[in-house]
Amino acid sequence: QKEVEQDPGPLSVPEGAIVSLNCTYSNSAFQYFMWYRQYSRKGPELLMYTYSSGNKEDGRFTAQVDKSSKYISLFIRDSQPSDSATYLCAMSDTGNQFYFGTGTSLTVIP
Amino acid sequence: DAGITQSPRHKVTETGTPVTLRCHQTENHRYMYWYRQDPGHGLRLIHYSYGVKDTDKGEVSDGYSVSRSKTEDFLLTLESATSSQTSVYFCAISGTGTIQETQYFGPGTRLLVL
Repeated sequence: QKEVEQDPGPLSVPEGAIVSLNCTYSNSAFQYFMWYRQYSRKGPELLMYTYSSGNKEDGRFTAQVDKSSKYISLFIRDSQPSDSATYLCAMSDTGNQFYFGTGTSLTVIP
Repeated sequence: DAGITQSPRHKVTETGTPVTLRCHQTENHRYMYWYRQDPGHGLRLIHYSYGVKDTDKGEVSDGYSVSRSKTEDFLLTLESATSSQTSVYFCAISGTGTIQETQYFGPGTRLLVL
């Protein structure tokens, strides 16, 4: 069993839709949670960071962490074609080693 | 890319040749990492470094070695390249800025082993 599971998609939505991306994990020691966005042929860029449980909002993006269910989510409101990318979840227990999901490919159709 | 450069950005080589990829950071951060990214596997850790001359193995270290003689440089060497090592290689650093417990990635190196 992988440490982190993420549905690879692909996910295709119309412009303006709300997008929900999810990851589950098995290690209850994880306490740092991240979402990365990766455009084609580019390196991953940090999108959201959350420590422990709870929600964090940044513009159109909201990250949620439910440690009791070992489940994290990223919501994108009013999705735009520029949001088309692969989204990777990542997490860590120590803050020094990181475990990644395989990524979900998202296409936002104008 | 948070002050991280990788060289070369693209490389084509032949099976059996040694290959060295370079990662250079200007952030003066302690931790550096090498990952490979392949379809269906996501990012997999090859090796990481927690200081000058301090390195450790990751999930997929067989066939790879690393060296870190200066804080800013982390080298990944494929001793004798094989076709299974065709991949995109990313360097990352952590412990930067106000968020210590996360990673920032370089632009990647695309390696093709024929």
